[in-house]
Amino acid sequence: NAGVTQTPKFQVLKTGQSMTLQCAQDMNHNSMYWYRQDPGMGLRLIYYSASEGTTDKGEVPNGYNVSRLNKREFSLRLESAAPSQTSVYFCATRERDTDTQYFGPGTRLTVL
Amino acid sequence: SQKIEQNSEALNIQEGKTATLTCNYTNYSPAYLQWYRQDPGRGPVFLLLIRENEKEKRKERLKVTFDTTLKQSLFHITASQPADSATYLCALEMDSNYQLIWGAGTKLIIKP
Repeated sequence: NAGVTQTPKFQVLKTGQSMTLQCAQDMNHNSMYWYRQDPGMGLRLIYYSASEGTTDKGEVPNGYNVSRLNKREFSLRLESAAPSQTSVYFCATRERDTDTQYFGPGTRLTVL
Repeated sequence: SQKIEQNSEALNIQEGKTATLTCNYTNYSPAYLQWYRQDPGRGPVFLLLIRENEKEKRKERLKVTFDTTLKQSLFHITASQPADSATYLCALEMDSNYQLIWGAGTKLIIKP
């Protein structure tokens, strides 16, 4: 089992460009999350999806959109990238019975 | 708003000793608290979860305590090894939507 996978691993964008970060899981979990991690700060929730077909804003949703394409896939889109969105982005799932979150390897995004 | 504090300074411990990390929180009464390990360039990995009605939880060389009166959790690694060197994150459940709020983490360095 691959667990939680993310693509790409690294990305450099220019201000104003758009891109989509992909996340897929083979753990059959209903809940999926997108976080960003910045130096000296805790993980901050951007969006989450409690189940297929539903999405909700987290703490820092501005500048992002998400799509829960099916149970396996949850994508994060930056429509017009800004330098403030330079960060490491993590996708995670939650196992319902244990409340444990499982993380992907992350995407390191730099916006110039 | 909810705030989680972990010691931002790195903790240096001699191999074989017990490492103790602290997580303090304010303004909330979480149903549970979790500890994760994060290695450089990787996503967090779940270690332990402790619920509000539990005082202590153990897993091999790991022990977590949860004092809801002090609003504090302590994370202990006994017989520490250089391989335990990593950043340790605490996270607490924020609301019934199973969102977590995260501390910034404490970097633990075990010296041989």
